[in-house]
Amino acid sequence: GQNIDQPTEMTATEGAIVQINCTYQTSGFNGLFWYQQHAGEAPTFLSYNVLDGLEEKGRFSSFLSRSKGYSYLLLKELQMKDSASYLCAVREGGGSGNTPLVFGKGTRLSVIA
Amino acid sequence: EPEVTQTPSHQVTQMGQEVILRCVPISNHLYFYWYRQILGQKVEFLVSFYNNEISEKSEIFDDQFSVERPDGSNFTLKIRSTKLEDSAMYFCASQEGKYRAGELFFGEGSRLTVL
Repeated sequence: GQNIDQPTEMTATEGAIVQINCTYQTSGFNGLFWYQQHAGEAPTFLSYNVLDGLEEKGRFSSFLSRSKGYSYLLLKELQMKDSASYLCAVREGGGSGNTPLVFGKGTRLSVIA
Repeated sequence: EPEVTQTPSHQVTQMGQEVILRCVPISNHLYFYWYRQILGQKVEFLVSFYNNEISEKSEIFDDQFSVERPDGSNFTLKIRSTKLEDSAMYFCASQEGKYRAGELFFGEGSRLTVL
């Protein structure tokens, strides 16, 4: 079975830092992805973790703990344009690089002035 | 920057009609996917395609759905005899290769409305 949980909604202030958590229970694990999706648009890739630890990419960082089935996406210096849904997705399977991604329901982030 | 393109951007159809959604993946990519997203819900996997055949398909991808890559560039999703519940945004995605990070690049989507 597969279960990916993330908060439904979050609100944060412009310039602040926000952390979006994701927990997962899946059959096998071959990487965790974060995507950003603005309303009515396609998901766009933000980050990828396959080993434990923190991956940093500009204002965005993503953390993974495989033993805890846990990840978070950290957004720093929030801007109004960061208002979007953030999707946590897991690639299941035992090593195949093209096993489909399974998406969580997404966290809708609202950045306020 | 290379991108996945999808047509049409929006299609309205009557229940029971056939619909074909088209996608042009990024040219050097090897793996192709269709996902759908019903309004307000999560992105759901439909089918993956590699080397001119289906790799995996979900429970959603029943006999009314089919995919093909007729000419080496286009990747199509056909929905036979559409139902009201097929109304959704359909996203095509492609992936470069098996051993990279393997992120999926999504097209802008085709919004299907079944009346």
